[in-house]
Amino acid sequence: EVQLVESGGGLVQPGGSLRLSCAASGFTVSNNYMSWVRQAPGKGLEWVSVIYSGGSAYYADSVKGRLTISRDNSKNTLYLQMNSLRPEDTAVYYCARNLYGDYGMDVWGQGTTVTVSS
Amino acid sequence: DIQMTQSPSSVSASVGDRVTITCRASQGIYSWLAWYQQKPGKAPKLLISSASSLQSGVPSRFSGSGSETDFTLTISSLQPEDFATYYCQQANSFPWTFGQGTKVEIK
Repeated sequence: EVQLVESGGGLVQPGGSLRLSCAASGFTVSNNYMSWVRQAPGKGLEWVSVIYSGGSAYYADSVKGRLTISRDNSKNTLYLQMNSLRPEDTAVYYCARNLYGDYGMDVWGQGTTVTVSS
Repeated sequence: DIQMTQSPSSVSASVGDRVTITCRASQGIYSWLAWYQQKPGKAPKLLISSASSLQSGVPSRFSGSGSETDFTLTISSLQPEDFATYYCQQANSFPWTFGQGTKVEIK
């Protein structure tokens, strides 16, 4: 079964760090484009980052320089390293698989909640 | 950045109604547009990609059309399970952006 399972969310103080994980099963992360999307409480969806199969990564302006997407091919896992966190980063974070050549996100995880508060 | 504007922001409709949601891009995006359905507390679900390609398993009452700046998601006959929030998303250029969402509510 094709599946994504996120973990690593939690409560962190402003300026702190957190690493989110997204474990994939049923397909190979490194062969696909993979994205992170977030949703602040009561708000809409916001694209955060994508990593291409070749390793290139792109970011939303709001997170550039603070959040870093990466993957571990041996663990078939996607990551989002979150540094210098701000209250406005509070959201449910989803990882998703992008369709090849189309970029629509066809497989999603269940989401993990990040709360940035003192 | 490309701005995606959906209309209406919400719509009240009855089972069996035809519902149309519009998504307008601030600049041309060819057909790099996807539509998602999201129910409360759940992850989004991809309905349509490349503006008009219906994803496997998605009922045929859903359809998408448009190109460049103007796109439409149509639900031909609204079913009880279709009450949800719908988002468009462009993947023509970075940063990828979503519309603000359209909530389809029960009339």
